[in-house]
Amino acid sequence: GDSVTQMEGPVTLSEEAFLTINCTYTATGYPSLFWYVQYPGEGLQLLLKATKADDKGSNKGFEATYRKETTSFHLEKGSVQVSDSAVYFCALRSGYNKLIFGAGTRLAVHP
Amino acid sequence: NAGVTQTPKFRILKIGQSMTLQCTQDMNHNYMYWYRQDPGMGLKLIYYSVGAGITDKGEVPNGYNVSRSTTEDFPLRLELAAPSQTSVYFCASSATAQANEKLFFGSGTQLSVL
Repeated sequence: GDSVTQMEGPVTLSEEAFLTINCTYTATGYPSLFWYVQYPGEGLQLLLKATKADDKGSNKGFEATYRKETTSFHLEKGSVQVSDSAVYFCALRSGYNKLIFGAGTRLAVHP
Repeated sequence: NAGVTQTPKFRILKIGQSMTLQCTQDMNHNYMYWYRQDPGMGLKLIYYSVGAGITDKGEVPNGYNVSRSTTEDFPLRLELAAPSQTSVYFCASSATAQANEKLFFGSGTQLSVL
């Protein structure tokens, strides 16, 4: 069945460091891909999405490119801030009842 | 800007007790979902609803029941709590069933069954 695998955390970085969180997926067909973020004490919220191969989603300095050939959707940011500390979830959706999440990656950014 | 509201935020139950997790949304969304998140795992779908009066099972429905009498509310019922139901529960909603539609999430209910 469909699945999402993302790198284990926690990821600990200093402010202004480069961030990569790896995400790969297995799916039949051509799902939409998402990154959701969960800040402390809050629910998940959409960070960015891509709906077809080679699409690049971007928001708040974060980017991810839908790579069909490597079945990947890695999250990147050039310069992280303390306020980016959160849990990041990669997800795919191929139908209204079929949103598959990765396990989440906790990011901690220190000043 | 309430969005999706879940109550309570925290709850401790004894084995065999029952409780209802409340979820309400004010965005007039037809589609609503209940997920659970176990430590180190991704979210798993428990039940979902495509509109008032219509519900269906997700990936892990055993031990739970739902109802959808209104568009706004989608409560999740645990009848006989078990330690395996210790988890964080998230309610979510979406406007459409399209695969590229984002979900709006509540802030979660942390449930411990002892």
